[in-house]
Amino acid sequence: GQQLNQSPQSMFIQEGEDVSMNCTSSSIFNTWLWYKQDPGEGPVLLIALYKAGELTSNGRLTAQFGITRKDSFLNISASIPSDVGIYFCAAPDKYSTLTFGKGTMLLVSP
Amino acid sequence: KAGVTQTPRYLIKTRGQQVTLSCSPISGHRSVSWYQQTPGQGLQFLFEYFSETQRNKGNFPGRFSGRQFSNSRSEMNVSTLELGDSALYLCASNLQLNTGELFFGEGSRLTVL
Repeated sequence: GQQLNQSPQSMFIQEGEDVSMNCTSSSIFNTWLWYKQDPGEGPVLLIALYKAGELTSNGRLTAQFGITRKDSFLNISASIPSDVGIYFCAAPDKYSTLTFGKGTMLLVSP
Repeated sequence: KAGVTQTPRYLIKTRGQQVTLSCSPISGHRSVSWYQQTPGQGLQFLFEYFSETQRNKGNFPGRFSGRQFSNSRSEMNVSTLELGDSALYLCASNLQLNTGELFFGEGSRLTVL
């Protein structure tokens, strides 16, 4: 099946720093999505991207749909303690079933 | 608007037993998907239901089954439990098919001893 390679696996940063993470695949996708999972909760959709090259923001979060359609990037600016969690990239296959990356665990030190 | 509700939140079973998990989607959502989340494998797709019909099924053994009722509520069942079935089982609903924009419940954490 399709695999999404997400990196880094984890990040430990200081409050106020910017964060970048990415997701790559050998397959081409028409949609990229980014979810965040807080401890003890289910994932929550942050940003959905539907067009190659698209750059979309949601508050301090900005995501990009790579021009090759094989990758996507998520940036968080001026991180705060509530940004702590696991960030997942996801993309639907030809059956519209979502495949998820393994996640990037973000820890923010106050 | 109530979110996706999963019950039970936590349960402990022993090997060989079976378990049934329940999911109530957001009102108006007719599509329900199930995912298994483990530290080693991450989030893996189990199945998707729409209007009481299974649309897609993931690569899991036949011990894993599910169904959807006419009110869009869904259940999944795992029979002959194995230690490796210990996981967080997440249910998600969505309003529009084929968008990937899922609304997840908090999950049912199953521990198999």
